[in-house]
Amino acid sequence: EDKVVQSPLSLVVHEGDTVTLNCSYEVTNFRSLLWYKQEKKAPTFLFMLTSSGIEKKSGRLSSILDKKELFSILNITATQTGDSAVYLCAVKTTDSWGKLQFGAGTQVVVTP
Amino acid sequence: DGGITQSPKYLFRKEGQNVTLSCEQNLNHDAMYWYRQDPGQGLRLIYYSQIVNDFQKGDIAEGYSVSREKKESFPLTVTSAQKNPTAFYLCASRRGPGWEQYFGPGTRLTVT
Repeated sequence: EDKVVQSPLSLVVHEGDTVTLNCSYEVTNFRSLLWYKQEKKAPTFLFMLTSSGIEKKSGRLSSILDKKELFSILNITATQTGDSAVYLCAVKTTDSWGKLQFGAGTQVVVTP
Repeated sequence: DGGITQSPKYLFRKEGQNVTLSCEQNLNHDAMYWYRQDPGQGLRLIYYSQIVNDFQKGDIAEGYSVSREKKESFPLTVTSAQKNPTAFYLCASRRGPGWEQYFGPGTRLTVT
């Protein structure tokens, strides 16, 4: 059975801290791994990772994939209160329907 | 403005009643998806559709039904057979293979 596990489940940090979120997976026919940010309602897309070792970066957020060890990390540097959200990891397999298998998410709270 | 709309934002129903959640997109996306999110859990796939007049069951389709008569619309009916229907329901669409899914704002359904 396909599995996506995120850790930690939640964390609280102070503004300015760096946060590292983990996502490990066990799926057959892996195609790509996606990160989403969910504040109140709709998850918003952050990154899609397909190749190992290539860092994707957007402002203070970055992510990398390790297909040998079957995990990805999402880093947030110089955190701000606006980074408070649930961060979701999802894995897409090679089936043509584009189904995503989601992890339970990591709740990040950034305090002033 | 292109996007995905879901209505209503909040919905309250009595047990035993069927209820239909609306999802409309004007992104010209072929594929559409319905997910359910429960507190502390990731998103779970209910149904998905890649083209008009065709749809497939996801991981938790029991007690739900869908239709895809138009490319823009993918309504979800929560039937009285769904044992635990209270949840946050998210609709998504995708441009095509290799693209990420975009999510609507969600509908929070409460059944008492």
